Amino acid sequence: QKEVEQNSGPLSVPEGAIASLNCTYSDRGSQSFFWYRQYSGKSPELIMSIYSNGDKEDGRFTAQLNKASQYVSLLIRDSQPSDSATYLCAVNLDTGNQFYFGTGTSLTVIP
Amino acid sequence: NAGVMQNPRHLVRRRGQEARLRCSPMKGHSHVYWYRQLPEEGLKFMVYLQKENIIDESGMPKERFSAEFPKEGPSILRIQQVVRGDSAAYFCASSPTRLFHSYEQYFGPGTRLTVT
Repeated sequence: QKEVEQNSGPLSVPEGAIASLNCTYSDRGSQSFFWYRQYSGKSPELIMSIYSNGDKEDGRFTAQLNKASQYVSLLIRDSQPSDSATYLCAVNLDTGNQFYFGTGTSLTVIP
Repeated sequence: NAGVMQNPRHLVRRRGQEARLRCSPMKGHSHVYWYRQLPEEGLKFMVYLQKENIIDESGMPKERFSAEFPKEGPSILRIQQVVRGDSAAYFCASSPTRLFHSYEQYFGPGTRLTVT
């Protein structure tokens, strides 16, 4: 069983819509959760980190964490064509050193 | 530029040669991680280092791969006797001390290794 799973997509949304990206993880000991954005041919860029159950908002981005369901999501409001990228979910055990990355969800925002 | 630096950005090696990839962490960061990314695949953890110490190398292939983070200078990922399967993007990330529970990792631009 993969540690972190994401729907590979592609996910297409029209400009201005809400994009919803989902991620599940297998290890209940996971404590830290991250969303990265990766443009084609570029390196991952940190968008959000979340450590507690609930929602965390930063501009157009909202991360949601539900540890009981082992589920973390990223909402992008008012999606823009520049948001078109692959979004990587990453999970870290509090006592561990590794980040476990999902394979990413490809998002396309259609103008 | 206070970000994570990696060089070279592109590296071409023939089978059997050695590849050396360098990474300088962000200023103030003492933790370095190396990842490998194959086309259409996710990031795979390789090794985690602090200055002069390898903390976790559980993701590193047992043969041909080694990493170091000396007291002075950048972290180096070394691949000996490269094979075509080593062709990938290698990313370095750094994070500040975990003492303050800051686990966020920031990535460098990567080194694209091509083995011919």
